[in-house]
Formats: sequence, C-alpha cells, structure tokens
Amino acid sequence: GQSLEQPSEVTAVEGAIVQINCTYQTSGFYGLSWYQQHDGGAPTFLSYNGLDGLEETGRFSSFLSRSDSYGYLLLQELQMKDSASYFCAVGSGNTGKLIFGQGTTLQVKP
Amino acid sequence: DSGVTQTPKHLITATGQRVTLRCSPRSGDLSVYWYQQSLDQGLQFLIQYYNGEERAKGNILERFSAQQFPDLHSELNLSSLELGDSALYFCASSVGGGVRETQYFGPGTRLLVL
Repeated sequence: GQSLEQPSEVTAVEGAIVQINCTYQTSGFYGLSWYQQHDGGAPTFLSYNGLDGLEETGRFSSFLSRSDSYGYLLLQELQMKDSASYFCAVGSGNTGKLIFGQGTTLQVKP
Repeated sequence: DSGVTQTPKHLITATGQRVTLRCSPRSGDLSVYWYQQSLDQGLQFLIQYYNGEERAKGNILERFSAQQFPDLHSELNLSSLELGDSALYFCASSVGGGVRETQYFGPGTRLLVL
C-alpha cells in the first residue's frame, strides 16, 4: 500500500521561507503532487514532480528525490494569505488516483 | 473558481437515509474524481471515472456508488447513511485520466448525518 508522512503544523513569519517535507512509501511510484487548501475550501493544485529535481512556480518550488522517497514544498517570501493546509499526494498506478498525506497546517504570522 | 460545480453545498439528513451528490466537471474535462474529507481521515480518494467508464477505485464503501453520465456530469450516491459518513465530499475533474493530470476541485458538499 501507500503511506505518506508530513508534519502536522508549521509556523513561520511573513517574508520568511518555509519548507514542508513529505516522505512516502509506495508500491510503484507515479509522481508526487502538492495541493493547497484554505480552511473549508477546495484543494488547489500547486505542483507535480515526476522526476528527481526541483520544479519552480513563482514563490513556490517543489523538490523530489525518488531514491530517498522524499520530497518537499518550499514557499518563499511568505504572505499572510499562504496560511493554509498543504497536502502532498502520490499517484497510484497510471490513473488519476491520488493518495494524500494528512496535510500540514501552515500558519504565517506578522 | 475552478469551473467545477457541486450541488448541494450543504446537506443535513438522518441515519439510514440515502442522498445523491452531483458534480459538473470543467468544460472539456473527461475525468471526474470523488474524494471524502473528514477530520480524522484527511482526503480519501473514492473513485475516478473517465469518459463514462470507471477508471480507478479507492476504499469506497459498498453503500456508496457513483456514475458518470454521457454529458460527463457525475453523481455520488450514499445510502444507509451512518453518523461516520458526515464529511466534506469533493468532486474534481481533469482533462485526461492519467497521473500527471492537474485535478481541479469543486467547492464540495458538506454532509451532516444526524
């Protein structure tokens, strides 16, 4: 089966950089995705890593190391609006099925 | 706004009842997914349809069923409801049905079973 681990909570100040780690165990690897969810809202796609390395999208970057079964989401120049839950998810088979981690709640303080 | 619509937004019902949740995917998207989000279980994948056919299945209970219609909208039927079925149910859609596809989530249906 698949399982993912990520920290439950992270706190940082406005303007800072924060890294949210995700380790996974899967039978077969089909990519690591990151989603953001504001309280009570719909999850929103942030990034996808299918191969090792860094993917950058504006203030957000995501990294993957398949040999370490590890990835992270890096958020730079934090803003108050970045306060949300962040989920890593792995693909299960070559379908759209995603297995989500339990989520990391990020609190950005002034 | 992702372009995915879900109705109803809120649903309150009693144990033992049956409800139907409806989802309309973004225009042009062929794949629809259903997820359940509860406080203790996080986001759980239930089922995926692609162009009317079941594509992938998660730990969906036998009391739950879904289908995708020719116009690509989807319905999730929950029957013999239990208190533990209270959760937020999300529908998502994507253009294709593969693992690299970005999934666009709807606003969700909040189900409360009393």
